[in-house]
Amino acid sequence: DTGVSQDPRHKITKRGQNVTFRCDPISEHNRLYWYRQTLGQGPEFLTYFQNEAQLEKSRLLSDRFSAERPKGSFSTLEIQRTEQGDSAMYLCASSRQGLEQYFGPGTRLTVT
Amino acid sequence: GESVGLHLPTLSVQEGDNSIINCAYSNSASDYFIWYKQESGKGPQFIIDIRSNMDKRQGQRVTVLLNKTVKHLSLQIAATQPGDSAVYFCAENAGNMLTFGGGTRLMVKP
Repeated sequence: DTGVSQDPRHKITKRGQNVTFRCDPISEHNRLYWYRQTLGQGPEFLTYFQNEAQLEKSRLLSDRFSAERPKGSFSTLEIQRTEQGDSAMYLCASSRQGLEQYFGPGTRLTVT
Repeated sequence: GESVGLHLPTLSVQEGDNSIINCAYSNSASDYFIWYKQESGKGPQFIIDIRSNMDKRQGQRVTVLLNKTVKHLSLQIAATQPGDSAVYFCAENAGNMLTFGGGTRLMVKP
């Protein structure tokens, strides 16, 4: 399978814990995006990378959230001191510059 | 702020009929639009895209129409099949990110 992959697919954590998600983009894609989706809503942009550079961050991305793409390939999204409001599906997408974005299956986070 | 929206939250069609899903956008600077299909528990799946210099684009059983005058986008699905049942999102790109609407659920009756 050469599509976008995400790990884990599901994560249940207690409030206050830190969590980290991983995204592996399509190999020849230089852009990588993170989105958050809550039930019944469309995905909301969080941040994106071009190669290893993080070029844009949404105001939704509070200081508890941090994303990295150290070698311009896979990316991680960390949420520190999770809150119940962080419960959502976290989606990763990748694209060649300026072209359509292909999404992974998402990581569903539940904060109890 | 400006956002993308959809007219109908749920659309129910008979198998074999054509489906039309509508979307209104408000950002006149958007130059690229995409339709995605999302099945339960899965990520959005790319269906078809269109650039703002086009009015119509056709794919396999799908057609996207763009009316820039009234800022309206539509997705037409020919001969709708049970496998088309999903939530459909339109998204606009006015920079480096996609802005999504709230989605339309398409239900196909056998």
